[in-house]
Amino acid sequence: GIQVEQSPPDLILQEGANSTLRCNFSDSVNNLQWFHQNPWGQLINLFYIPSGTKQNGRLSATTVATERYSLLYISSSQTTDSGVYFCAVDEGDDKIIFGKGTRLHILP
Amino acid sequence: EAQVTQNPRYLITVTGKKLTVTCSQNMNHEYMSWYRQDPGLGLRQIYYSMNVEVTDKGDVPEGYKVSRKEKRNFPLILESPSPNQTSLYFCASSYGGAGETQYFGPGTRLLVL
Repeated sequence: GIQVEQSPPDLILQEGANSTLRCNFSDSVNNLQWFHQNPWGQLINLFYIPSGTKQNGRLSATTVATERYSLLYISSSQTTDSGVYFCAVDEGDDKIIFGKGTRLHILP
Repeated sequence: EAQVTQNPRYLITVTGKKLTVTCSQNMNHEYMSWYRQDPGLGLRQIYYSMNVEVTDKGDVPEGYKVSRKEKRNFPLILESPSPNQTSLYFCASSYGGAGETQYFGPGTRLLVL
């Protein structure tokens, strides 16, 4: 099956810094989503982005489907951005495969 | 309020005692699924359902059962729980399928002794 790899596994930044999280996938996918899991465990959908670029406030995401990767950008980080960021792909068979996540710590 | 609910939120049980974790959504979503989250492994899909009476295995279905008798409900059944099923479980739903935006429940933390 498809492999989804996220990097880096952990990231520690000072408040105000920018960051880039990467998601690589081993085969063609129908769709890709980014999620944020906050420190209380809640999972929130950030972007639904099979290709192209989207922006939502300080967050933006780019997926280059032909090169099998997606990037999540966080600008001017805030402590509330802390948590784990997951990408998840849909191969087209109704299964969803998650990466192992990037744990982000934003220090005040 | 549009939401996915799970019950119970926390559960401690013993090996072999059958249990059910309920999942319900009020958004008329067709697609529902269950995941388990374990440290260092991310989320892994257990089962999914495209519609009523249609269920299929995800990546880690062993030891679990599901049913989809109504569109809004998708219970997860552990017939004979074992300690390796200790985990954090999430239910999710979406309107059109795996490729649509997924909405997650709050999670159920299960400890099997």
